Amino acid sequence: ETGVTQTPRHLVMGMTNKKSLKCEQHLGHNAMYWYKQSAKKPLELMFVYSLEERVENNSVPSRFSPECPNSSHLFLHLHTLQPEDSALYLCASSRESISAGTDTQYFGPGTRLTVL
Amino acid sequence: QQQVKQSPQSLIVQKGGISIINCAYENTAFDYFPWYQQFPGKGPALLIAIRPDVSEKKEGRFTISFNKSAKQFSLHIMDSQPGDSATYFCAHTGKLIFGQGTTLQVKP
Repeated sequence: ETGVTQTPRHLVMGMTNKKSLKCEQHLGHNAMYWYKQSAKKPLELMFVYSLEERVENNSVPSRFSPECPNSSHLFLHLHTLQPEDSALYLCASSRESISAGTDTQYFGPGTRLTVL
Repeated sequence: QQQVKQSPQSLIVQKGGISIINCAYENTAFDYFPWYQQFPGKGPALLIAIRPDVSEKKEGRFTISFNKSAKQFSLHIMDSQPGDSATYFCAHTGKLIFGQGTTLQVKP
């Protein structure tokens, strides 16, 4: 399998549930990202990992907890979410950390999250 | 926080027409401006990108024009086709900032 994959593709959870989103990249990249995409709003950067170290955390609420066990895998652990957290969560990867220069991000298909 | 301002929010074009989407950015030390295309149910995918040492880049029917003095860059889609119907995002990768997106509908 090639590119960036995300599972699950769809997730419905209650506010008291705990769930995790998984991202895997098969491109040999060193940087991975989580974005939130809501309707009528720009993509919002949530977290950046470069060589498995978190290099950016964009003031994301603590109910979102990222984990990057190796350069190919990225998780987003979710707990006690709110209905306004319903959105499409996109994972991306790039060869190097994007702020280092001109690099292209490759996106997964996203997980459509609905919080009831 | 620096922004990338994209317009229009939505665009309807007849088949064969020209689609034009604009983005304006603020001062920055990083210069790399990609456009991403996103179809429903898919993640964004790189369409075309430009560095400001050139004023224009063309790939097939897609052209980026860059105006550094005006801090603007635009995407032109020539001979627009129904298959081009998607959401388009401009981005400033140095700051990991995306525009709000433009939903393009090309009517047959």
